[in-house]
Amino acid sequence: GAGVSQSPRYKVAKRGQDVALRCDPISGHVSLFWYQQALGQGPEFLTYFQNEAQLDKSGLPSDRFFAERPEGSVSTLKIQRTQQEDSAVYLCASRKQGAGNTEAFFGQGTRLTVV
Amino acid sequence: GDSVTQMEGPVTLSEEAFLTINCTYTATGYPSLFWYVQYPGEGLQLLLKATKADDKGSNKGFEATYRKETTSFHLEKGSVQVSDSAVYFCALSAITGANSKLTFGKGITLSVRP
Repeated sequence: GAGVSQSPRYKVAKRGQDVALRCDPISGHVSLFWYQQALGQGPEFLTYFQNEAQLDKSGLPSDRFFAERPEGSVSTLKIQRTQQEDSAVYLCASRKQGAGNTEAFFGQGTRLTVV
Repeated sequence: GDSVTQMEGPVTLSEEAFLTINCTYTATGYPSLFWYVQYPGEGLQLLLKATKADDKGSNKGFEATYRKETTSFHLEKGSVQVSDSAVYFCALSAITGANSKLTFGKGITLSVRP
């Protein structure tokens, strides 16, 4: 597709359940970012990939959060043993280049609700 | 660390009114500055950007000027339309390093009534 695609769009998880969120970036984009957006807040950085290398995971809130991009394209954000505070919209963004400030394109996000 | 502060919302305006949304930032070095917009049911889209002091970004009638002396990047539009109703986010990106991650403000909801 032409844009960044995320799936599922909505996910309801019971507390303690593991979830996996998928991001398909724009083809050929080197950089991939994950952000977490709580209700009424701006997106907050979680982690960054350049191709398959995870160069920055400083924003991951706990060791229950894990992200991968094994072939440098599709990425998966996994949350283990979900908690209510994990409820948020998870946004994926991709950018054509590695370094620099070219435009980042965002997906529509996955809204995770933990009950 | 880097941070972005936006004025409190929501903002409700009548069509053709003048819009100003304030944004100030704190950052080390010389960041690039952005305004992103999120229309209902859609993902975040880049509205405009400025990469150095005194640069003016503009798009769709919106403008913002990178003011280093006041660390501000206020968004303005001379005459808003109903179709401008959306959530607006100010953001910055550190200019150094491969990870040019975005730091966002809280966002402000703009509603324009006919």
